[in-house]
Amino acid sequence: NAGVMQNPRHLVRRRGQEARLRCSPMKGHSHVYWYRQLPEEGLKFMVYLQKENIIDESGMPKERFSAEFPKEGPSILRIQQVVRGDSAAYFCASCSALSYEQYFGPGTRLTVT
Amino acid sequence: AQRVTQPEKLLSVFKGAPVELKCNYSYSGSPELFWYVQYSRQRLQLLLRHISRESIKGFTADLNKGETSFHLKKPFAQEEDSAMYYCALRGQGGSEKLVFGKGTKLTVNP
Repeated sequence: NAGVMQNPRHLVRRRGQEARLRCSPMKGHSHVYWYRQLPEEGLKFMVYLQKENIIDESGMPKERFSAEFPKEGPSILRIQQVVRGDSAAYFCASCSALSYEQYFGPGTRLTVT
Repeated sequence: AQRVTQPEKLLSVFKGAPVELKCNYSYSGSPELFWYVQYSRQRLQLLLRHISRESIKGFTADLNKGETSFHLKKPFAQEEDSAMYYCALRGQGGSEKLVFGKGTKLTVNP
């Protein structure tokens, strides 16, 4: 089991471009969480998804951010029209319905220039 | 509001010395508390949770509801303990999301 996979590991975007971050949960896990870590800060919850459903998006900015977890394929966090303030490390975590222990991916470091 | 506070950004001790990483929380109900660790160039991983009341790698943490604290302790620090440590809280019910502190960077000197 390769664990939670995230790609790309590093992503550079210019202001105004779109960023797509992908997360493949551990085998057998149907729950995915996205967290954002700004410099010098702890991880902050963004969104919680199960297959084809957004369960809790209370941590997502109201505009430009969206997330999905389709029936097939990875979970995608999409940021439209990126701004410098979006530069951060984005972590994905997954867990199963039987145990809510969250396993984290290595993160994607987004840099907006 | 749910909040986790780790007052020390940096903590440095010598090998063999006791270490305590502080964590205080704010939550109106009965939360579940965790310590996560991130070693250099590795991903974040669960170190221990208060429910299991176990010792992992010599570390223990006791939930003190009166002081709303969940400090992480180890009697004799080792160089391989050097890492970032994050305290996290999960509230009852809801989405099972974690609320993290800002982390403490522990350095164990030889």
